[in-house]
Amino acid sequence: AQSVTQPDIHITVSEGASLELRCNYSYGATPYLFWYVQSPGQGLQLLLKYFSGDTLVQGIKGFEAEFKRSQSSFNLRKPSVHWSDAAEYFCAVGAGNTPLVFGKGTRLSVIA
Amino acid sequence: DGGITQSPKYLFRKEGQNVTLSCEQNLNHDAMYWYRQDPGQGLRLIYYSQIVNDFQKGDIAEGYSVSREKKESFPLTVTSAQKNPTAFYLCASSARQGARSEKLFFGSGTQLSVL
Repeated sequence: AQSVTQPDIHITVSEGASLELRCNYSYGATPYLFWYVQSPGQGLQLLLKYFSGDTLVQGIKGFEAEFKRSQSSFNLRKPSVHWSDAAEYFCAVGAGNTPLVFGKGTRLSVIA
Repeated sequence: DGGITQSPKYLFRKEGQNVTLSCEQNLNHDAMYWYRQDPGQGLRLIYYSQIVNDFQKGDIAEGYSVSREKKESFPLTVTSAQKNPTAFYLCASSARQGARSEKLFFGSGTQLSVL
């Protein structure tokens, strides 16, 4: 079965600084990978997804993620963080016909 | 606008009581899901349904029950057998079961607390 690890529980960055959120997955074949974002008390919104092809994936709100098979990683990046990016971020992995498996999330705080 | 509606936003349960959380979607999606979210635990799958009148247990189904009598509706009942029901519950849907198409659309959630 597939699994996801998000090593960082909480990250704080300054507004305008770059951001990288880590995600490692475990799955025998090529997985389908997703990043979702959740504002407090709300549902989740899809930021981006990787199915195949180009390993650098562009998403909404200026986010991108890179699939690295050799490292079993799918890290999320943003060159310049805005205060409105403060939220919780979830990495998820899908495989075959089974429901997505989510990581435990990384909470992002943005300071002035 | 198309989307997923969860109600109520906040719900309180007394000891020994069953409560039902509502989830309705007008996206014409085949698959629907219930997740439980606890602080620091991420999302854990309770039940999912790929088609009307069919559903499967997820990772933490004990103490919960569901029905799927209509395509647009997937209510979740938290029974008295669920001893620790306090959590944020999220309903989601996707066009069809299968990871490749599995962009999940989420509702805004229901916060369930025990009195």
